[in-house]
Amino acid sequence: DAGVIQSPRHEVTEMGQEVTLRCKPISGHNSLFWYRQTMMRGLELLIYFNNNVPIDDSGMPEDRFSAKMPNASFSTLKIQPSEPRDSAVYFCASSLALYNSPLHFGNGTRLTVT
Amino acid sequence: QQQVKQSPQSLIVQKGGISIINCAYENTAFDYFPWYQQFPGKGPALLIAIRPDVSEKKEGRFTISFNKSAKQFSLHIMDSQPGDSATYFCAANLSGTYKYIFGTGTRLKVLA
Repeated sequence: DAGVIQSPRHEVTEMGQEVTLRCKPISGHNSLFWYRQTMMRGLELLIYFNNNVPIDDSGMPEDRFSAKMPNASFSTLKIQPSEPRDSAVYFCASSLALYNSPLHFGNGTRLTVT
Repeated sequence: QQQVKQSPQSLIVQKGGISIINCAYENTAFDYFPWYQQFPGKGPALLIAIRPDVSEKKEGRFTISFNKSAKQFSLHIMDSQPGDSATYFCAANLSGTYKYIFGTGTRLKVLA
């Protein structure tokens, strides 16, 4: 079990640039979640997918953020254009599509927007 | 309200002591309460979890106490060790969904 794989681990970009974060969930997991972690707000759910379909994107901060899941083994979170306040650690997590199924997190992408 | 309030924000405990972290919620639609442990540079990992029909669950040195009427639950770490130094998050799952709401985290430091 390779776990949830995220890339890149670190991303430094300038304000206004497009940023794409990538996630490979655990094989067989059919729910995928994107979280953002900051000191001020803790872990915030941005969006989650079930069977590749976005179910709840109410946590996406604004239209600059978009997420896709083209197949069961890959998801992206895109920020365009990026702003300094987007600086945070972004986590992807996956789980079985069962209620109370535990989340398995990746090691995150630390994004710094200058 | 879909919030989970966690305290304290940080905690320092001597080796061998008991670490206690508390969480409170308001939404009675939460029906599953996990605790996650996070080490620096890593993602959170499930530590232990409880359902509201149980008042206590113990796994090794880790115990969850659950008070349904008070809408509170807590994590107790017995015989705390330096290796337990990490950030701990409580969470709550909204019934009938895959959605978890996390507390703000407690940074625990266990002194050797």
